[in-house]
Amino acid sequence: DQQVKQNSPSLSVQEGRISILNCDYTNSMFDYFLWYKKYPAEGPTFLISISSIKDKNEDGRFTVFLNKSAKHLSLHIVPSQPGDSAVYFCAATSGGGGTASKLTFGTGTRLQVTL
Amino acid sequence: NAGVMQNPRHLVRRRGQEARLRCSPMKGHSHVYWYRQLPEEGLKFMVYLQKENIIDESGMPKERFSAEFPKEGPSILRIQQVVRGDSAAYFCASSPNRGRLEQYFGPGTRLTVT
Repeated sequence: DQQVKQNSPSLSVQEGRISILNCDYTNSMFDYFLWYKKYPAEGPTFLISISSIKDKNEDGRFTVFLNKSAKHLSLHIVPSQPGDSAVYFCAATSGGGGTASKLTFGTGTRLQVTL
Repeated sequence: NAGVMQNPRHLVRRRGQEARLRCSPMKGHSHVYWYRQLPEEGLKFMVYLQKENIIDESGMPKERFSAEFPKEGPSILRIQQVVRGDSAAYFCASSPNRGRLEQYFGPGTRLTVT
């Protein structure tokens, strides 16, 4: 049972344009969401997170939007750069009360930023 | 501040041997998590530990796998009598004591069972 889904296995975007990566979840207990970037042969790198009490969080070129009613979140990267080419994982946890808990990951979206 | 350290980075074992994977969390972090990534899949949670305690092992296979995080030293993920299906990348992550939910990952150990 895949509780976190990333339905697009890959995405290609031109440099300078916006990249939009999508993620859906099914578990209503999830209340904290994270995005990670992963290069080959490396561990995931934390990018940005959002609590379920918010609908938007922004950090530089990265913005995460959360639509709780639709159980959907998205990561926007503006402007996209060639160094952003990587696999992006959406993750969710039910530790929003400040209690550490396991992360449930999606299967990832491979982003390629072309020149 | 050093990040999460894992060793070895690559490990080759023959079927039936034991594999020991080590993880040292970031300084000041007392929560350690182990995840496994099979080829072309996302990361799957295995176990969550604090010093000398297993908090959540709901993702651990019932047999052959064990984990510990002793008072002193790194966390260890141990796989006994490895089989080809154990071939995967094993990632360790750590998080701060309280209040912060982000987990910071090590570079992983790539286990190959021949």
